[in-house]
Amino acid sequence: DTGVSQDPRHKITKRGQNVTFRCDPISEHNRLYWYRQTLGQGPEFLTYFQNEAQLEKSRLLSDRFSAERPKGSFSTLEIQRTEQGDSAMYLCASSLELVVRGAETQYFGPGTRLLVL
Amino acid sequence: GNSVTQMEGPVTLSEEAFLTINCTYTATGYPSLFWYVQYPGEGLQLLLKATKADDKGSNKGFEATYRKETTSFHLEKGSVQVSDSAVYFCARGPSGNTGKLIFGQGTTLQVKP
Repeated sequence: DTGVSQDPRHKITKRGQNVTFRCDPISEHNRLYWYRQTLGQGPEFLTYFQNEAQLEKSRLLSDRFSAERPKGSFSTLEIQRTEQGDSAMYLCASSLELVVRGAETQYFGPGTRLLVL
Repeated sequence: GNSVTQMEGPVTLSEEAFLTINCTYTATGYPSLFWYVQYPGEGLQLLLKATKADDKGSNKGFEATYRKETTSFHLEKGSVQVSDSAVYFCARGPSGNTGKLIFGQGTTLQVKP
């Protein structure tokens, strides 16, 4: 299967701890996105990369959150000093930039479910 | 603003009933529009999309038409099955240079035999 993969699938941590999630996009995709989904809501955009450049960050991405995509392939999302409000599903998606702007399709991974106790 | 609004769920139907899930959007310009589906315990999957006004996206018996005049992208299926039970998300694509998708809150569909 060459879809988007995420690791771990589940993470339970104590408040104040740091956590890091990994996303491996579809291999030829140059764009990578992070979203957060809370129960009963649609995904909310956090940030996205084109190759290794981080092009946009949401206001939701506080200074405790940092994302990297060092070689333009996999990406990591780190949350420092976790809070109970960080509990959510963290989704990664990838896409291939198309000539027609906005026509690309984002393919989602299975997500990492984070629970902060 | 830039937002997507879906009809609230849950929507409960009997097998073979007709399905409509309403979706309206606001945006500057003419973004691409998408329907994603999330089956229980699984990730988001693209169901269908339309990239310009009057386009019709279709897949697995589902259809949605991009209506610029009403800023809508309603999802329809003529005859639902129990296996269609899932959460359906409407999303609009980026306007301008941003790459992000804006999602509605999701509509849960329950199909009973």
